[in-house]
Formats: sequence, C-alpha cells, structure tokens
Amino acid sequence: GESVGLHLPTLSVQEGDNSIINCAYSNSASDYFIWYKQESGKGPQFIIDIRSNMDKRQGQRVTVLLNKTVKHLSLQIAATQPGDSAVYFCAEQFGYGQNFVFGPGTRLSVLP
Amino acid sequence: DSGVTQTPKHLITATGQRVTLRCSPRSGDLSVYWYQQSLDQGLQFLIQYYNGEERAKGNILERFSAQQFPDLHSELNLSSLELGDSALYFCASSVAGYDQPQHFGDGTRLSIL
Repeated sequence: GESVGLHLPTLSVQEGDNSIINCAYSNSASDYFIWYKQESGKGPQFIIDIRSNMDKRQGQRVTVLLNKTVKHLSLQIAATQPGDSAVYFCAEQFGYGQNFVFGPGTRLSVLP
Repeated sequence: DSGVTQTPKHLITATGQRVTLRCSPRSGDLSVYWYQQSLDQGLQFLIQYYNGEERAKGNILERFSAQQFPDLHSELNLSSLELGDSALYFCASSVAGYDQPQHFGDGTRLSIL
C-alpha cells in the first residue's frame, strides 16, 4: 500500500534489539497520552496509553515513559521484531471534551 | 481488527464532485471521529460526534460536513472536491469522548483526478 509520511524521521534497529521512540508533546496541561502503530495500508492501532498521574506503564513487550517536566513521552519496544516495522504516533489529550493532537510520527524499520 | 468499519476502501473521482464516506463504529461506542491523513502529514482531526450530536470541530473545511445517525453510524460528506483533497480519511470511535483510546478503521483512500 501507499506509504504514509514519506519524509518522517526513521529509526532503524536490528531485530532482537530494543527500540526507543521519542515524542515531544505540546501542551503542559495534557493529561492523557496514547501510542499508536500504523502499518502500511491500515489505520492506526492502539498500543498503550498512560495518564498524567503515572510516570511509567508496561504492556506486553512495550513500556511507555512520561516525563511531564520536559513534556516528553517515549515508547520502548523490547526485542524488536520484523512485525514491529511501522509508523508510530504519539497522541495527547488535554481536558474533558478536547480531542487528541497527534505527533508527526516516527518510522521504525527493523533490520534482519 | 479494530471493529470500526469504513466504506468504501477506495474512491476515485474528479474535481468538483461530491462523495460520501461511511463509518460504522465499534459496538457500544458512542463517539465517532473523522481524520484526514495526507502524504507527509500526520493525522488531522476534522470533527467529532457523540451520540448523534456534534461535539468538536477541528480543521474541517466548509465544503466538508458530517453527521451521526441514530444507529450511531456516521457519514462524512466532501463536496466541490479539489485535487488537494486527495488523502486517506479515517474514522475512529470510542466509548466516550475523554480519557479513552480511539479505535481506528482502515480508512478510505480518496483520489481526485
């Protein structure tokens, strides 16, 4: 399918290594954050979320870290696999009734 | 499978025409969102409906409109189409409008010739 974000920043990692994808969010009042994965030809897929009262949350092979002091969010993927190759978006929400603002995305490329 | 269904998957039309994109949310979800995604662009929020009522508007052009029906499915109407409207259009749904993840369909790819 047609690629999304032809000029996105790209992170290349070796299969089996850990990946860290970073995101700087815009609003210090944002209190809910989500990471999405988008594969070619598909819609964004929910990976993990975190609320602002937490610094860290773990899922299966993924960990999200939130640093509110510097407005930074990261997604760590353990033992990266070829199926992890995709574009990853962070999204922030600030306040009830407000909608998500999505970051520009990072392309993760897993090398064999 | 997110449970969100979008039709059609592909749409090819000409400038000046009008099209309708359709979205069926996940069972139980009351909120529907529409996004536009162009090449080299992130996801741009267009509009949100909650239980049939417009809840929020983003960068939606006046040529575009949407509605959510009593059965909670939604339609996005795009009129007087221009070449620049070529994009992926995604629908997402969530149970409510806050503090919960949105689940996306696989989009409608609109090509304007």
